[in-house]
Amino acid sequence: DIQMTQSPSTLSASVGDRVTITCRASQSISSWLAWYQQKPGKAPKLLIYKASSLESGVPSRFSGSGSGTEFSLTISSLQPDDFATYYCQQYNSYPCSFGQGTKLEIK
Amino acid sequence: EVQLLESGGGLVQPGGSLRLSCAASGFTFSSYAMSWVRQAPGRGLEWVSGISGSGGSGGNTYYADSVKGRFTISRDNSKNTLYLQMNSLRAEDTAVYYCAKVSMIVVVQHFDYWGQGTLVTVSS
Repeated sequence: DIQMTQSPSTLSASVGDRVTITCRASQSISSWLAWYQQKPGKAPKLLIYKASSLESGVPSRFSGSGSGTEFSLTISSLQPDDFATYYCQQYNSYPCSFGQGTKLEIK
Repeated sequence: EVQLLESGGGLVQPGGSLRLSCAASGFTFSSYAMSWVRQAPGRGLEWVSGISGSGGSGGNTYYADSVKGRFTISRDNSKNTLYLQMNSLRAEDTAVYYCAKVSMIVVVQHFDYWGQGTLVTVSS
């Protein structure tokens, strides 16, 4: 099975900051990676798929990059609504798997 | 508008059974794979099971090792409903269970819509 590792586990930042979250796969997954945002008590929401494709309706301040084993999610200018937990997911092979999550907190 | 509405969660004793349902609307249900993803309290996301899309009532099924032999996923395309039959429940199955629409007919893809989740608590 493919293991997904996110870093950092917790990130403290301020409104307006540019932040980057990293996700590493235990083996190559090509570009078969998605990013989700989850707020407390709510379901996850798709942000990015195929490593860098922005889901419809998602603000353009979110972007994804990477391929193979190293990926990143960047928020160009943090907004108050962006403080949440973010998960990466690989879907290169069965079973799909998620990273452990990165909690983005207000500094 | 895509909507996924889970039901069937609740409190069950260890060794007991529960059946979750997910009523889908706003898309051609039979054309897409569906999955169950769970989240234990304070923990991350764990894929549980998936079923491929199909023209009939069935589809290829897939399970995480942690639930294989205990859980059964199924779908009724005539009712636009996804099910998860959970038997021999354990304390470690306690979680919010999300129904998720897969972006394609095959199971191993990203999830573009999620339900609001239903809580399953396994405790004596």
